[in-house]
Amino acid sequence: GAVVSQHPSWVICKSGTSVKIECRSLDFQATTMFWYRQFPKQSLMLMATSNEGSKATYEQGVEKDKFLINHASLTLSTLTVTSAHPEDSSFYICSARVEGTGNQPQHFGDGTRLSIL
Amino acid sequence: GESVGLHLPTLSVQEGDNSIINCAYSNSASDYFIWYKQESGKGPQFIIDIRSNMDKRQGQRVTVLLNKTVKHLSLQIAATQPGDSAVYFCAENISGNKLVFGAGTILRVKS
Repeated sequence: GAVVSQHPSWVICKSGTSVKIECRSLDFQATTMFWYRQFPKQSLMLMATSNEGSKATYEQGVEKDKFLINHASLTLSTLTVTSAHPEDSSFYICSARVEGTGNQPQHFGDGTRLSIL
Repeated sequence: GESVGLHLPTLSVQEGDNSIINCAYSNSASDYFIWYKQESGKGPQFIIDIRSNMDKRQGQRVTVLLNKTVKHLSLQIAATQPGDSAVYFCAENISGNKLVFGAGTILRVKS
């Protein structure tokens, strides 16, 4: 159980293009999902918390107009990188928690590798 | 010229030996900790977790130890196998169920 799916797994596109990444919880509902960014040989950095039915909460330094997040249902959050440029190239990973009492681990998708030419 | 970036610490162990991966966390108010394994090109995979009211928890071939006095977490892997080769991250749960990840440790298992 607790499977998180991300799509696409790999994107290559031209500078200036907007790219949408989907994150789905396949066998559970998630009112909260999280989006991370990871550079090569580095750790995961939280970008934003995606809240179902309301606005996302962005971490300091993350441009909300650049990284648009939509969490329209209990099983789907999307991250759109708008007008992407080469410096946006990275590995983007989402996660979700199974709702319940007490502490629950976040479960991660397999990431989306974004390459902007 | 040289690229500037972080160099993850590497632990090399012989197949069959035990591995111990260490992590220092930052926030004394953190109440929940998780170890994740990340293989190349994939997302982190949950291994084991521990709440702050415990100092040890065991899973299958893995044990997590928590020392709140010095804010230290460790992951012990028994009888390490080639399939255990990956990057291991500790994560601490801060407010709002947000996780802060450690820098990571590369585990290499030699056959």
